[in-house]
Amino acid sequence: EDKVVQSPLSLVVHEGDTVTLNCSYEVTNFRSLLWYKQEKKAPTFLFMLTSSGIEKKSGRLSSILDKKELFSILNITATQTGDSAVYLCAVGMKGSSNTGKLIFGQGTTLQVKP
Amino acid sequence: EPEVTQTPSHQVTQMGQEVILRCVPISNHLYFYWYRQILGQKVEFLVSFYNNEISEKSEIFDDQFSVERPDGSNFTLKIRSTKLEDSAMYFCASSDGRETPSGANVLTFGAGSRLTVL
Repeated sequence: EDKVVQSPLSLVVHEGDTVTLNCSYEVTNFRSLLWYKQEKKAPTFLFMLTSSGIEKKSGRLSSILDKKELFSILNITATQTGDSAVYLCAVGMKGSSNTGKLIFGQGTTLQVKP
Repeated sequence: EPEVTQTPSHQVTQMGQEVILRCVPISNHLYFYWYRQILGQKVEFLVSFYNNEISEKSEIFDDQFSVERPDGSNFTLKIRSTKLEDSAMYFCASSDGRETPSGANVLTFGAGSRLTVL
């Protein structure tokens, strides 16, 4: 059975801390791994990773994929209260058609305290 | 920035009633999806839709569910006879289908429609 597991499930830090969120997966025919940030509205896209060892970076956020060990991490440095959200990891798989089906993890709830 | 819009944001219905959830995908997108998230659980894939037909559906998407693109802008999810267990947040998503060199593409999600079945 295809599955995506995130850890920790929840995390409370103080502003300025650095956090690392983990995502491991076991899927057939891996195509891509995506990170989304979910606040009270739509999940918003952060990163898509398809190749091992290549870090993607956007401001204070960065992410990397290890296709040998089947995991990804999302790092957030110098956290701010606005980083408080649920961070979702999702894996897309190759198939006979480009269906865009994603398998999601359960999410990591991050709370950043002032 | 283009966005996927969903209506209603919240709907309360009685068990056995029909419900239609509406979505307006991003205008130049070609692929459309419905996902759902039961409270406290993972986001789950329901169905993907391309070229006016379903391209893939999950086990959850049984005969009680249907999707339609009635005109050039709307994409709807219908639940024919709602059950208590259909209570969830329903997310619509779309993508342009443009593939990166690896074959992947990015889904843009709407804010969701919360369905409560009593």
